[in-house]
Order: sequence, then C-alpha cells, then structure tokens
Amino acid sequence: GEDVEQSLFLSVREGDSSVINCTYTDSSSTYLYWYKQEPGAGLQLLTYIFSNMDMKQDQRLTVLLNKKDKHLSLRIADTQTGDSAIYFCAVSASKIIFGSGTRLSIRP
Amino acid sequence: KAGVTQTPRYLIKTRGQQVTLSCSPISGHRSVSWYQQTPGQGLQFLFEYFSETQRNKGNFPGRFSGRQFSNSRSEMNVSTLELGDSALYLCASSEGQGARSYGYTFGSGTRLTVV
Repeated sequence: GEDVEQSLFLSVREGDSSVINCTYTDSSSTYLYWYKQEPGAGLQLLTYIFSNMDMKQDQRLTVLLNKKDKHLSLRIADTQTGDSAIYFCAVSASKIIFGSGTRLSIRP
Repeated sequence: KAGVTQTPRYLIKTRGQQVTLSCSPISGHRSVSWYQQTPGQGLQFLFEYFSETQRNKGNFPGRFSGRQFSNSRSEMNVSTLELGDSALYLCASSEGQGARSYGYTFGSGTRLTVV
C-alpha cells in the first residue's frame, strides 16, 4: 500500500542547516509536500514540488526529490528557534498520505 | 481571506455518545478532507468530499461518517464513541480534489477527548 516514512527526531544547532528526509512507496505520486505543525495548531503548507522536478528553492527552504530512490528531503538554511516544530512529508496518490512527522528541535 | 474554520476547538464526551464536528473551508474551495491525528498513529485519512460527494474514504469503521453541504461546509459524525477516538480531528480544504492540488489548507483542529 501507500506509505511515507520519516525519522522521528532531529536536533540541530541554531544557525546550522537542517535536513529532514522522507521516503515513500507510491511512484505515481504527482505532488509532494512539506507541512509544518506548531504546538496546538493545524498543519501549515510550507512548499510543494511536482514529481517532474528535482529541486525547488524558496527562500531558506530547499526541496530535493530523487524519484528513482523515492526520496524527498527538506533543507532549512540558517535554522532559527522559530523553526522548532513537527515537519510532515506528504505525497499525493489517490489521496494525500502523510508521514509520521519529524520533530525538529534547535540547540542554542 | 478567512482560513479554514473548525468548531468546536475542544470537546469532551463520554463513551457511547455521539459527536458532530464542523468545518468551514476557505471561500471558493470545494474539497474538504478530514484527518485524525493521534500520537501513536500520526495523521490518518478519514474521508474527502468534493462537490457534496464523498470521493475517497480511509480505513475507519462505519461509526465515522461525514457529509458536505452545497456551500462546501462539511460535518463529520462519530457515533458510539470509544476511548480510542480521542484525537485531534483536522479538516483541510483545497480548490480541487486534494490529491491533484497544490496542497491543503488546514484548520486548527477539534481536540476530542472521550472519557
């Protein structure tokens, strides 16, 4: 079936880059997304990438897609304390499937 | 533009009762999807409605049902509540069907606690 996997935790130092990784199983996914969830809030769409793209950059965010390996990553440059949140990878299949989320914590 | 509005924000119910949650999508959005979020299971897809028709359904028992009205507002209903139904229920809207869209806009969710 359709599955999206992410590691559960990531800790980085303030000012460093964060890289959150995701793998998925459905090769027919057309859109792939990254969402951010802060405590007590719903999910906020950060960015998306079409399956025919390899990379997308949006200010501090860079998304890389390796279709052959079914691997998606989100790089956050110059990570700040406000980036502390849970980050969800999601892919579109017959419906949108979410990973379990990666909790990003920032060390001073 | 107003965001996705979910009501109520918090709800406490007793086992065996039923509950109805409401979602008003962004104006102009015709698709509404519902997800259940729990610490153990993550985000689980419940169902998607588009133009008042259920287009997709997740693997939840028949106690979970929903509907969409002509103004695109949606409700979901859970009957015969169980302790395991305690969760954050998230509603998301998009212009077109979710899986062919540029992504959802989520509401803040309804936190349901079953005691």
